[in-house]
Amino acid sequence: VVMTQSPLSLPVTLGQPASISCRSSQSLVYYDGNTYLSWFQQRPGQSPRRLFYKISDRDSGVPDRFSGSGSGTDFTLKISRVEAEDVGVYYCMQGTHWPWTFGQGTKVEIK
Amino acid sequence: EVKLVESGGGLVQPGGSLRLSCAASGFTFSNYWMSWVRQAPGKGLEWVANINKDGSASNYVDSVKGRFTTSRDNTQNSLYLQMNSLRAEDTAVYYCARAAAENTVDYWGQGTLVTVSS
Repeated sequence: VVMTQSPLSLPVTLGQPASISCRSSQSLVYYDGNTYLSWFQQRPGQSPRRLFYKISDRDSGVPDRFSGSGSGTDFTLKISRVEAEDVGVYYCMQGTHWPWTFGQGTKVEIK
Repeated sequence: EVKLVESGGGLVQPGGSLRLSCAASGFTFSNYWMSWVRQAPGKGLEWVANINKDGSASNYVDSVKGRFTTSRDNTQNSLYLQMNSLRAEDTAVYYCARAAAENTVDYWGQGTLVTVSS
């Protein structure tokens, strides 16, 4: 399953919103009815950190300015007001079909 | 606190072998599937392999099938990745990650760099 993110680069002004799109080449609805789409953040020089699983279930410690949404083949990660600590690369990942696959990544930077 | 610490990376010649290890702590290791994910320098993330709780089953991405083998020792809380017939395109940081019930991973190690070059 090919995961396609857009944009690949996202310059954002501090305090402004940001939105990242992730599209899958096949439906990510699993036979059990769940949709296994996760989002990860990778800050410069760090390991990835999970933000969301099953589209919109937020991990502990993830600020509520982050939100995940979507269904089927179209998904979105939104940041309501970008802060300096949000700089990094964001990846979507599907766990419905083997092999699990990631999007190419979207680099969020401050203008 | 969940902790995953990889080791064993380094420089190896094309065609050579390397064995990576991942030491797990802070959770009941035998209750979780585990994964290996790699990241080539300056590139994105690529799933490499998963292994089930007791080590009896594993899955691999096509590009490493027949060359890489993952295993685990639940008595030592350790995960392994045996890499044979290494190629230049296997050069990457290799991460050990804990697989969660929601068909994803929830914790990552710091990674270990494997460089395949003559």
